[in-house]
Amino acid sequence: NAGVTQTPKFRILKIGQSMTLQCTQDMNHNYMYWYRQDPGMGLKLIYYSVGAGITDKGEVPNGYNVSRSTTEDFPLRLELAAPSQTSVYFCASSFQARSGNTIYFGEGSWLTVV
Amino acid sequence: DAKTTQPTSMDCAEGRAANLPCNHSTISGNEYVYWYRQIHSQGPQYIIHGLKNNETNEMASLIITEDRKSSTLILPHATLRDTAVYYCIVRVAEETSGSRLTFGEGTQLTVNP
Repeated sequence: NAGVTQTPKFRILKIGQSMTLQCTQDMNHNYMYWYRQDPGMGLKLIYYSVGAGITDKGEVPNGYNVSRSTTEDFPLRLELAAPSQTSVYFCASSFQARSGNTIYFGEGSWLTVV
Repeated sequence: DAKTTQPTSMDCAEGRAANLPCNHSTISGNEYVYWYRQIHSQGPQYIIHGLKNNETNEMASLIITEDRKSSTLILPHATLRDTAVYYCIVRVAEETSGSRLTFGEGTQLTVNP
């Protein structure tokens, strides 16, 4: 059972570099999300998407971009990496239903900007 | 989404029941109570959710007070592998403008041998 898959798991970036965190889900979920989690802190929503072609900002969108060209994929792009973006990034997906909206998370991507 | 309040940390002996409280006094009638947990260095894991009635699944039980202003997550027989941060979240099931799950600080549950 694949669920939500993120790549890469670990990455070190230099200040000013760009990169894309990949996320794919095989559950046909309409909603997808990107969170970041700093050490010892809770999760903060970066961006989310309610379906292909639709994205919206979360709590901390600055410095990031997303796209949702397909239901399955929701990549997160960092254009000019900064040390403040050192964090663990979690991708998640869910299916909106009348009985609730359970969110499933990937295993995380550890990013260090030096 | 309604704000929740949880204790910062709790301890529990292995094999005993772990009861994790959550206050959500501003919860609306259409908001569900969700519980997730995050074991160190892993992605958050869904545990259980409910609206009004108490719920039970293979992982835990959820007790919601009649006025819905608080709830308790019960792990009936805690094991060392249940050591994790537990998040209580309240949110609507259906949103036309988007769907988000906002995590607070949660409760660090430590199960001791």
